[in-house]
Amino acid sequence: DAGVTQSPTHLIKTRGQQVTLRCSPKSGHDTVSWYQQALGQGPQFIFQYYEEEERQRGNFPDRFSGHQFPNYSSELNVNALLLGDSALYLCASSFRGGGGIEQFFGPGTRLTVL
Amino acid sequence: KNQVEQSPQSLIILEGKNCTLQCNYTVSPFSNLRWYKQDTGRGPVSLTIMTFSENTKSNGRYTATLDADTKQSSLHITASQLSDSASYICVVSLNTGGFKTIFGAGTRLFVKA
Repeated sequence: DAGVTQSPTHLIKTRGQQVTLRCSPKSGHDTVSWYQQALGQGPQFIFQYYEEEERQRGNFPDRFSGHQFPNYSSELNVNALLLGDSALYLCASSFRGGGGIEQFFGPGTRLTVL
Repeated sequence: KNQVEQSPQSLIILEGKNCTLQCNYTVSPFSNLRWYKQDTGRGPVSLTIMTFSENTKSNGRYTATLDADTKQSSLHITASQLSDSASYICVVSLNTGGFKTIFGAGTRLFVKA
């Protein structure tokens, strides 16, 4: 079991560009959550996907959007990048039937916006 | 307001020493509390999970306690090792029928030889 995987590991973009980050959940998990973690801060919840629909959303603008595929993998898209979007983006998966109590995190994607 | 506050913000200890990290929360209705260890630039790794009815949980040299009455949790690390240097994040989930998780800002632990 590869656990939660994310790609790419690192990414450098310029202001105004668009980016897509990818996540594959742990085997047996059906729910994917995305978090943004600025340097020295705790993760901030962006949104959660289950059954290919966005179920919950944190306090993030519409520039942040996502998608979940039938195989439970997920993408995070960010449009019109700002310098403040530079952060570690974490994906976490869980099994909704288990109450979603235990989340497993991926290694993260480090996004740098210049 | 649902909040999770951790203290201290950072901590430096000598290898072999014990330490205790604190987590206070004002989250309701409470579902569970988790402690994660996060190495720099990596994803968090779960250490312990506690529900309302549990007041202590151990994972090797890590022992977490939970006082649901005072809404406080602690993570005790015994006989620290250099590899314990990391951020320790307290996470509280709400029992709202949907998904709601509040993350603390973390405690940065430095273990020195």
